[in-house]
Amino acid sequence: GAVVSQHPSWVICKSGTSVKIECRSLDFQATTMFWYRQFPKQSLMLMATSNEGSKATYEQGVEKDKFLINHASLTLSTLTVTSAHPEDSSFYICSARDLLKTSTDTQYFGPGTRLTVL
Amino acid sequence: GQQVMQIPQYQHVQEGEDFTTYCNSSTTLSNIQWYKQRPGGHPVFLIQLVKSGEVKKQKRLTFQFGEAKKNSSLHITATQTTDVGTYFCAGRIDGGTSYGKLTFGQGTILTVHP
Repeated sequence: GAVVSQHPSWVICKSGTSVKIECRSLDFQATTMFWYRQFPKQSLMLMATSNEGSKATYEQGVEKDKFLINHASLTLSTLTVTSAHPEDSSFYICSARDLLKTSTDTQYFGPGTRLTVL
Repeated sequence: GQQVMQIPQYQHVQEGEDFTTYCNSSTTLSNIQWYKQRPGGHPVFLIQLVKSGEVKKQKRLTFQFGEAKKNSSLHITATQTTDVGTYFCAGRIDGGTSYGKLTFGQGTILTVHP
């Protein structure tokens, strides 16, 4: 149980284009999903918290107009990197909390999306 | 700002040796979690500690939560090559919002030489 999928697993795009990454909880519902960015051999940097039915909460320093987040249902959140540039190249990972497990802060992580911007 | 520090950054051991990684927070944590990320993979939840002084074991892994709920450790006895990966602690800062935002430590990269 507690499986989170991400699509695509990797993407290569040209500078200036937009890329959408999907995060799905497959066997549970998640009112809250999190988007992280991870550089090689570094920790996970929280970008934003995605809340179903409301606006995302962005961490300090993260441009909300560049990283658009939509949490349209209890099982799907999307991250759109708009007008991507080479410095946006990174590993993007989402995680989700199980709606029914309110006593724990356990996050279930997706497999990640490797974005390369040329 | 609120930080969770983790040491060491790297640890190289011979198979069979023990391994410990430490996590320290500048503020009291509501709980702490440990995750393992294999090379090329994504973080996988290992355990959550909630109570002051709590100790939990999973086979060769022992997890501790400090009395002040500001530090934690993960100890692996007799490491195996399958233990290779990065171990992250992640804490929820006391007084955090209800949506369970976690602050991750920098991670400890463990390599095990056969």
